[in-house]
Amino acid sequence: IAGITQAPTSQILAAGRRMTLRCTQDMRHNAMYWYRQDLGLGLRLIHYSNTAGTTGKGEVPDGYSVSRANTDDFPLTLASAVPSQTSVYFCASRTDRDGYTFGSGTRLTVV
Amino acid sequence: KQEVTQIPAALSVPEGENLVLNCSFTDSAIYNLQWFRQDPGKGLTSLLLIQSSQREQTSGRLNASLDKSSGRSTLYIAASQPGDSATYLCAVRPGRDKLIFGTGTRLQVFP
Repeated sequence: IAGITQAPTSQILAAGRRMTLRCTQDMRHNAMYWYRQDLGLGLRLIHYSNTAGTTGKGEVPDGYSVSRANTDDFPLTLASAVPSQTSVYFCASRTDRDGYTFGSGTRLTVV
Repeated sequence: KQEVTQIPAALSVPEGENLVLNCSFTDSAIYNLQWFRQDPGKGLTSLLLIQSSQREQTSGRLNASLDKSSGRSTLYIAASQPGDSATYLCAVRPGRDKLIFGTGTRLQVFP
């Protein structure tokens, strides 16, 4: 089934640890995004990539990094997790014709 | 700065009713507008995408309209069912790399 796969689905992480959230798509979309969703704050853009080899900062990029080595994969790394990064993380891809497609999310708890 | 507002924040209706969910945005310079549904603990599912040159889109019992000049979109749900219970989010794309979300309407349809 074409779409976006995120892993893990949930994770409890000790503060200070490094963590990579994985995102893979099989639709060959050029544009990909990472959002976080928090109660009362809605969805906020962390980082984006318009095409393989390029990335950009979104609304809340601090504490996060991304890479885009190829079209299909767009991992999000927390170098040293803090409790304020407790959130649900969504990866998405976009085409002009079909709009945005979202993954099922990763629920991250930093303790 | 683009802001997206959804009214009402919550709605509870009996099965069979026709519903209208409202979305307003402050800047009419958008590429498109997209409606999503989100079930509790799940990802976002795209419902309808309206390009800036379009006035409406339809899919099954769903119809979305767009009036750019007044900064409004409505999502019409015909003959509501308990399975329609979810949070409905509208989002506008004001530029190449952004999607700005509303805060959502939480819908409950009871039998």
